[in-house]
Amino acid sequence: GNSVTQMEGPVTLSEEAFLTINCTYTATGYPSLFWYVQYPGEGLQLLLKATKADDKGSNKGFEATYRKETTSFHLEKGSVQVSDSAVYFCALSDRADEKLTFGTGTRLTIIP
Amino acid sequence: GAVVSQHPSRVICKSGTSVKIECRSLDFQATTMFWYRQFPKKSLMLMATSNEGSKATYEQGVEKDKFLINHASLTLSTLTVTSAHPEDSSFYICSALPGLASSYEQYFGPGTRLTVT
Repeated sequence: GNSVTQMEGPVTLSEEAFLTINCTYTATGYPSLFWYVQYPGEGLQLLLKATKADDKGSNKGFEATYRKETTSFHLEKGSVQVSDSAVYFCALSDRADEKLTFGTGTRLTIIP
Repeated sequence: GAVVSQHPSRVICKSGTSVKIECRSLDFQATTMFWYRQFPKKSLMLMATSNEGSKATYEQGVEKDKFLINHASLTLSTLTVTSAHPEDSSFYICSALPGLASSYEQYFGPGTRLTVT
């Protein structure tokens, strides 16, 4: 079956530091890949996505590249801000049934 | 962007009672809605897939008689936790898939915190 493995965290960084949150997946076929963000007290929001190999998703300074050869979709940001503090979830969607499979989430805290 | 609401945001109930949680898509029609359960410090677990006008499809290990799902219209799905017990305490999240979407993007509600005493 499908599965997603991501850094557990928590991750604490200083403002303006470089961020990487690792995500690898196992899937049959060719899934779409997503990063969702959950701010305190809110629901999940789509941060970025990629639907095929070598696609790069980007939003709000975050980037992730769909790497089929390494089955990875690592999230990166060059300079984090305090407002980026949240829980980040990597996920994949099997196109056949549109179900999302989530990683365990990584709690990120940015300190000024 | 698309908005999905959930009601209530928090509910406390006594063991043995039933609780209904509503999930609404406010500005689009959702042919498919999903219900998830999120455990503390853990990921979201898909409970069931709900299609408008048909019976929900439950994931393995989810009791369909305990977690009743009704998708009566294109903008509303409800989850009823019947005869709730303390182990049902959790964060329940719904998501909705727009009927005309081709991007497989689900829009999530803010979640409902259920506490069973």
